Amino acid sequence: DTEVTQTPKHLVMGMTNKKSLKCEQHMGHRAMYWYKQKAKKPPELMFVYSYEKLSINESVPSRFSPECPNSSLLNLHLHALQPEDSALYLCASSPRGKSAGNEQFFGPGTRLTVL
Amino acid sequence: AQKVTQAQTEISVVEKEDVTLDCVYETRDTTYYLFWYKQPPSGELVFLIRRNSFDEQNEISGRYSWNFQKSTSSFNFTITASQVVDSAVYFCALRSGGSNYKLTFGKGTLLTVNP
Repeated sequence: DTEVTQTPKHLVMGMTNKKSLKCEQHMGHRAMYWYKQKAKKPPELMFVYSYEKLSINESVPSRFSPECPNSSLLNLHLHALQPEDSALYLCASSPRGKSAGNEQFFGPGTRLTVL
Repeated sequence: AQKVTQAQTEISVVEKEDVTLDCVYETRDTTYYLFWYKQPPSGELVFLIRRNSFDEQNEISGRYSWNFQKSTSSFNFTITASQVVDSAVYFCALRSGGSNYKLTFGKGTLLTVNP
């Protein structure tokens, strides 16, 4: 099973809402990632968890809060977002921690619209 | 600092034509990894290939082939006998330990294969 799943597929939220994005993988991978992708741009790294510990935070605003409850799950909690946060949010995982040689496997993404 | 350049923003071909997507990279690390990903309109990034800096062998997988040339810092991707299903954005990416394992993407090339 080489699949990363993400829910929901689409999300529309107001600027005062709190919502969460979920990501799951059952490949035994030990690193998980959140990326943000705006239209016609490459993905931008937000967070990396390696062996369930937050390893990299790319100076992401605190209105985005990641959580890794266990090795298979990754959440992204959203609060007080701005319209410019509207984007495709991609989750990825890689087999052996965050080391350079790992390929990352991506989920289908959550398309987020902030009104 | 590392950088990936995909000079071709958009390419349009007719089905069954061969097409080459260019990728030029910059890094100061002697050990690094290069990747190609495909992103169809559905949004999911699909991993295609990983190449290690110490392995300059070219690779062929069905209609896909990759030409890695360290002398010119290039990692080009050729699709032979293109098909409509090949239409997607293709990203070349670079990762090395010196970058804290961050995956650096090129800006992507939008390939449109017309029937």
